Amino acid sequence: QKEVEQNSGPLSVPEGAIASLNCTYSDRGSQSFFWYRQYSGKSPELIMSIYSNGDKEDGRFTAQLNKASQYVSLLIRDSQPSDSATYLCAVNSGGFKTIFGAGTRLFVKA
Amino acid sequence: DGGITQSPKYLFRKEGQNVTLSCEQNLNHDAMYWYRQDPGQGLRLIYYSQIVNDFQKGDIAEGYSVSREKKESFPLTVTSAQKNPTAFYLCASSSDFFQSYTFGSGTRLTVV
Repeated sequence: QKEVEQNSGPLSVPEGAIASLNCTYSDRGSQSFFWYRQYSGKSPELIMSIYSNGDKEDGRFTAQLNKASQYVSLLIRDSQPSDSATYLCAVNSGGFKTIFGAGTRLFVKA
Repeated sequence: DGGITQSPKYLFRKEGQNVTLSCEQNLNHDAMYWYRQDPGQGLRLIYYSQIVNDFQKGDIAEGYSVSREKKESFPLTVTSAQKNPTAFYLCASSSDFFQSYTFGSGTRLTVV
């Protein structure tokens, strides 16, 4: 059974701090990795995608992938109250199905 | 603007009733998916389709049915055989299986 694991949180950080969200996956053959943000009562929206080892930066967001250790992380710099949401890690192993983690709830305190 | 439209936003189902959730996309995506999300839980795959007139069961297909007669449309029917249908239903699409998903705004189904 292929799995994607996330700490459910809540992760609480003060405004302006760096929020670090982590995700581990079980299938070593995984090829595509995604982070989605989901506000309460809304649908998920793509934040970042990453396909190769290393870091990928987009504005205040940085995705980090380490295939040898089978983890992917998302860093949010200068966290804002508007970043408070659930962050879903998703992994595709090259087949038809992308597997989603249960999500980490992030709370940014003003 | 390109996107996915789900309707209705809220749906109430009586015991023993079949209901159909609509999903339409104008992104020219080949792959479409239906997920179910329960409170505090992750997304569980109900059905997926890669091309017109072809679809496959996901992890929790029992009590659900779909059709894919047009590339743009992938409706989901929640049948009376689904004993616990109250959930948030999400339709998604992607250009292929390896790429990121675009989600619709969701349908919240409640049994009354």
